[in-house]
Amino acid sequence: GESVGLHLPTLSVQEGDNSIINCAYSNSASDYFIWYKQESGKGPQFIIDIRSNMDKRQGQRVTVLLNKTVKHLSLQIAATQPGDSAVYFCAENHLTGNQFYFGTGTSLTVIP
Amino acid sequence: EAQVTQNPRYLITVTGKKLTVTCSQNMNHEYMSWYRQDPGLGLRQIYYSMNVEVTDKGDVPEGYKVSRKEKRNFPLILESPSPNQTSLYFCASTLLEGGKLFFGSGTQLSVL
Repeated sequence: GESVGLHLPTLSVQEGDNSIINCAYSNSASDYFIWYKQESGKGPQFIIDIRSNMDKRQGQRVTVLLNKTVKHLSLQIAATQPGDSAVYFCAENHLTGNQFYFGTGTSLTVIP
Repeated sequence: EAQVTQNPRYLITVTGKKLTVTCSQNMNHEYMSWYRQDPGLGLRQIYYSMNVEVTDKGDVPEGYKVSRKEKRNFPLILESPSPNQTSLYFCASTLLEGGKLFFGSGTQLSVL
């Protein structure tokens, strides 16, 4: 079956440092990958996405890297801020049938 | 404002008492889905719908029902709730061709 996993359940970083959150996936046929941020008491919010035909995409302070060879996805957050403290999920989407599969999440804590 | 609205946000009930959690989206999305979120397990799909009157089981459909009579609404029904259905529930929607999934704020359900 599908398996989407994150490498570390928790991550603590100093304010101002860069954060890297990793995710492994199992299905090489996935078309699309997404990172979500979930703050306490809220629903997951879209951060950034990447298609399977790309290996890097940048947003505002965030970068997603996709390594299809080893089925690995990472989210890099530059100059991490206290407001970045949240749980981060990766998700893979199979556009055929429009199925989404989610990782278990990494809890990021930013230390002031 | 584009959003997915779930109600109620919190619900405490007793075993066997039928309940409905409502979900509505204002983005004209064809695809809607329900997930439950439990510690250490990530988001697991309960049911999804590709369009009006079209619903399909996700990974954990037992004990749940859904209906899609209108495009904007996708209620989740628990005919006879049990304690193992105590969880945090999210409704989500997106366009049929895939892309970012928009989530509601969640419904925390406790079944005593």
